[in-house]
Amino acid sequence: AQTVTQSQPEMSVQEAETVTLSCTYDTSESDYYLFWYKQPPSRQMILVIRQEAYKQQNATENRFSVNFQKAAKSFSLKISDSQLGDAAMYFCAYRSEDSNYQLIWGAGTKLIIKP
Amino acid sequence: DTGVSQDPRHKITKRGQNVTFRCDPISEHNRLYWYRQTLGQGPEFLTYFQNEAQLEKSRLLSDRFSAERPKGSFSTLEIQRTEQGDSAMYLCASSLAETTNEKLFFGSGTQLSVL
Repeated sequence: AQTVTQSQPEMSVQEAETVTLSCTYDTSESDYYLFWYKQPPSRQMILVIRQEAYKQQNATENRFSVNFQKAAKSFSLKISDSQLGDAAMYFCAYRSEDSNYQLIWGAGTKLIIKP
Repeated sequence: DTGVSQDPRHKITKRGQNVTFRCDPISEHNRLYWYRQTLGQGPEFLTYFQNEAQLEKSRLLSDRFSAERPKGSFSTLEIQRTEQGDSAMYLCASSLAETTNEKLFFGSGTQLSVL
């Protein structure tokens, strides 16, 4: 069975600085998808970034980028130029290529932005 | 259409009572998912629908839980004879299955407290 591990329960960063959130996963599959979701106090889970395992190029969305290391089964999220609005819980999630419905989630990392 | 909406936002009930939650997905979305999230954890998959058909249900889901999606539009999740262990946030998500880049859109959840 697949598992997702986020080893940092909480991280803090100074506004405008860069922070990296860690995620590792375990799978025997070769094709899958990885996601980072953000959950602010409003509780709505918002997709931040997505990575297909077959793509070697790391995904980027504006200030958010990932470092995808398939062999190491590592999928970290880098947030550049941190803003107060980035404060939230961040969840890493895994989905099999042949699964339409089941996301496997990490326990989350609480990101605190210091003004 | 402003996204996935869930009602109620909060529900407090006494142990042994039945509760029902409602989810209205994005109107053109044919897939609908229910997840449960407890404090300090990522969401846990409960069940999902494609149109009105319930295609998968978690083996962890007690028989006290039932979900419906009549006419493939809104969905309801009912919990019978609630227990204190049912206290959690119940998240609904929807997606459009035909896209190659399927993206889940989440509601803000229903927070259930069983006293």
